[in-house]
Amino acid sequence: QVQLMQSGPEVKKPGSSVKVSCKASGGTFSSHPISWVRQAPGQGLEWMGSITPIFDTANYAQKFQGRFTVSADQSTTTAYMELRNLKTDDTAMYFCAREGFRNGLLFDYWGHGTRITVSS
Amino acid sequence: QSVLTQPPSVSAAPGQKVTISCSGSTSNIGGNYVSWYQQLPGTAPKVLIFDDNQRSSGIPDRFSGSKSGTTATLGITEVQTGDEADYYCATWDTNLSAWVFGGGARLTVL
Repeated sequence: QVQLMQSGPEVKKPGSSVKVSCKASGGTFSSHPISWVRQAPGQGLEWMGSITPIFDTANYAQKFQGRFTVSADQSTTTAYMELRNLKTDDTAMYFCAREGFRNGLLFDYWGHGTRITVSS
Repeated sequence: QSVLTQPPSVSAAPGQKVTISCSGSTSNIGGNYVSWYQQLPGTAPKVLIFDDNQRSSGIPDRFSGSKSGTTATLGITEVQTGDEADYYCATWDTNLSAWVFGGGARLTVL
C-alpha cells in the first residue's frame, strides 16, 4: 500500500520561503508523477505543479511559475516543493498526491497535508 | 474562478439520490478522463471515480460516474449521513497543460 508522509506545519513571515517534503513508501516511486495541490482555508483544491522522478521533469501551473519549485530524490523516495516570496494568501493546506495511470490519470494516493501559515 | 464548474452545494435526504455536475470544455472534460474526489471534513481528498465512470477500490456501488460531451456527473444513491463531504471533479486540461479542478460541491444530508 502506498503511503505519502508529509513534513510538519510551518509558520512563515511574508517574503520568506518554505520547503515541504513528501516521503513515499510502498509502490513504485520513480515512475509516478507527484503533484502538489493546495487548499486555502474554506476554499477548493488548486493544482500547483508536478514532478516525474524518473525523468526529473517538472510541470508548473502558470500561476506559480517563477516562485515555485518541485524536486524529487529517488534515493530517499521523497518529493519536495519550495514556495518562495511567500504572501499572506499563500496560507493554506498543501497536499502531495501521486498520479496513477489507468486509461487516464488520477490522483490515487494523497498525503495528509502540511499546513503553511504566512503571517507577519 | 475554477476552470471546471460545479454547483457549490447540493442536498438530499437520507436514502435519496443526488447528482453533482461538472462542466468544462473540449480541452479538458471533452478530451480527457475525469476523476472525482471526496473530501471529508479535516481530511485529505480520496478518489471515488476515475476514467469517467470506474469506481476506485473499496468504493461502494452507490457512487457512479458518467460523462457526456463536456459535462461529467457524479451520482450518489441511497445517500447516508456519512456521505456529507465536499466533492471535486478533476481532469487534465490540454490547452493549459495543467490539472484543473472543479470548485467543489458540498453535500448536505438533510
